Order: sequence, then C-alpha cells, then structure tokens
Amino acid sequence: GAVVSQHPSRVICKSGTSVKIECRSLDFQATTMFWYRQFPKQSLMLMATSNEGSKATYEQGVEKDKFLINHASLTLSTLTVTSAHPEDSSFYICSALDQGATETQYFGPGTRLLVL
Amino acid sequence: TQLLEQSPQFLSIQEGENLTVYCNSSSVFSSLQWYRQEPGEGPVLLVTVVTGGEVKKLKRLTFQFGDARKDSSLHITAAQPGDTGLYLCAGVRSTLGRLYFGRGTQLTVWP
Repeated sequence: GAVVSQHPSRVICKSGTSVKIECRSLDFQATTMFWYRQFPKQSLMLMATSNEGSKATYEQGVEKDKFLINHASLTLSTLTVTSAHPEDSSFYICSALDQGATETQYFGPGTRLLVL
Repeated sequence: TQLLEQSPQFLSIQEGENLTVYCNSSSVFSSLQWYRQEPGEGPVLLVTVVTGGEVKKLKRLTFQFGDARKDSSLHITAAQPGDTGLYLCAGVRSTLGRLYFGRGTQLTVWP
C-alpha cells in the first residue's frame, strides 16, 4: 500500500508554545489530505480537510486560528498547533487521499503531542 | 449522531472463536473501508469494498458490503491473539473523499 509519513512521531512542549506536524505522501501525489485527532480507545475525529493550493476546510468546532493548516505541495501538508495548552494533548493523525478508482485514504503513523 | 453505527464497541474473546463486527447506516456509501489500528500507530487499511453485495476475503477475515451499500460486516474466523486491535469501518459518500468513521470495535483475543 501507499506510504504516508508523519514527523515528529512524538513531541513534548511547554504550554503556550507552537508545534508543527508534517504529513508527507511518499509515493503518490495528494491534492487532498486530512487531519484527525484521536483520544484513547476512541475513533478518529476529523479536524480539517487540507487542499493543495487553497484554504483548508475545518470541521465544526475546530478553531482555524489555533490549528493552522498549510498544504504547500502535492506531497506535504502541515498542521501547526498554536499556543498549545494541556487540553491539546492528543494523538494527531493525517491521511492522504489517493484519488484512484477506490479513492483510498492512506494514514500516517500519527504524532503523539503532550503539552505540559 | 454517527453516520456509521459500528457494533459491538468492545469484544473480548478466547483464541479460536469466531466474531463479527457490524457497521450500519441509513446512508448510501460509494465505498467502505475497514482499518485495523494498534496502540500508538495509524490505522492500516485492510480492505476497500465498492460494489453492493461484494464479499472479499483476506485469510481468516471476510468482509461484506450490503446490497444497498448502506452496511458492511467483518467476520473473523478462528481469532488469534495477533488479531487484537481497534477495528474501524469508514465510508465514503462523495468524490471529495471524506471518510465517515464508525466508533470502532476494540477487539481483545486471549490466548
């Protein structure tokens, strides 16, 4: 299957700082990528849809000024958590859409964020 | 409310038993995907079903897409401890590719 990478895999930061997470599709181009948040033992919650060359589309209740998304190329999307607080601690997962016949999303390995 | 209702939420069984996970909806999906996720990792795609009534087999796993493309099931035969994980169903409704996830089924298989 297609490969999607995320960096970093885990990050610990102080409250008030900003953290950037990168999502890369390694063997295909993705005009659309998705960012999810996941709490322990729960399903994935879609935060936003990242579109190459245009503004991201945020889900209801997700603050666009807090979770900045940039999809600068067909293989890279970044999520920046600005002024992070302890309640932002979570597992963040990205996916990239391979727009073939089955429109399959391939997921990255996730980034564990801990805000102290 | 969830667009895809997945059940059961938790399943704890002994090695060798069979199990079925269900995903149901009142909405029609263009395709439906099943993922398995281990703690601290991203979901890994198991299968994509596209055609109503389609049945796909992956070793001991059997996936079925309902005739009306509103529901799907995952059946595992002779479960093994290595099958332990979070199983997620997710459906696609449009060409925009957005996935609608079920709540997940946490499966634990005891030796």
